Amino acid sequence: DVKVTQSSRYLVKRTGEKVFLECVQDMDHENMFWYRQDPGLGLRLIYFSYDVKMKEKGDIPEGYSVSREKKERFSLILESASTNQTSMYLCASSTRKSNQPQHFGDGTRLSIL
Amino acid sequence: AQSVTQLDSQVPVFEEAPVELRCNYSSSVSVYLFWYVQYPNQGLQLLLKYLSGSTLVKGINGFEAEFNKSQTSFHLRKPSVHISDTAEYFCAVSEWNTDKLIFGTGTRLQVFP
Repeated sequence: DVKVTQSSRYLVKRTGEKVFLECVQDMDHENMFWYRQDPGLGLRLIYFSYDVKMKEKGDIPEGYSVSREKKERFSLILESASTNQTSMYLCASSTRKSNQPQHFGDGTRLSIL
Repeated sequence: AQSVTQLDSQVPVFEEAPVELRCNYSSSVSVYLFWYVQYPNQGLQLLLKYLSGSTLVKGINGFEAEFNKSQTSFHLRKPSVHISDTAEYFCAVSEWNTDKLIFGTGTRLQVFP
């Protein structure tokens, strides 16, 4: 079974802090994704990576950056956290075939105070 | 541009009753369709997928979905629900030439005893 592991289930940070969310997958998948989930809005794509050091902006990249130095690891960075970034963050991975499903981690619930 | 509409944000139902969760999509090209389930405090888990072939797709936990190309719909059904089916359900679509998924806003299924 594919395992996608997010480093923290719950995280509390202060406004203005630099925040790192880490995600690791164990299935040698080429693609990795970061989503944000908010009530009534579903999942919105923040960033997408299709290879090491490659990234593509999603629908809501403002205020975020990403890093993919190794194939199995994809990091989401909040450069200067703000209260409107309080949310559930979900990481996913998949192979490079559009008919294959994405596999999700359990999510990180991030609160910015 | 492709989009996914889940018409019902919440669906309350009694245990052992049938249920249908509706999903409509818009796209000008061939698509792949997915249903995911999210139990409380967990990530998303794949229920079923439609890639091609038979329009009736069976998934895990007794769920099935029917692809209707003329109606651009992919409704999820279960003939008899259990308390344990209480969760949020997301419909998602992927176009044939992209690895990205577009998600609906989700339907919260609540099963009462």
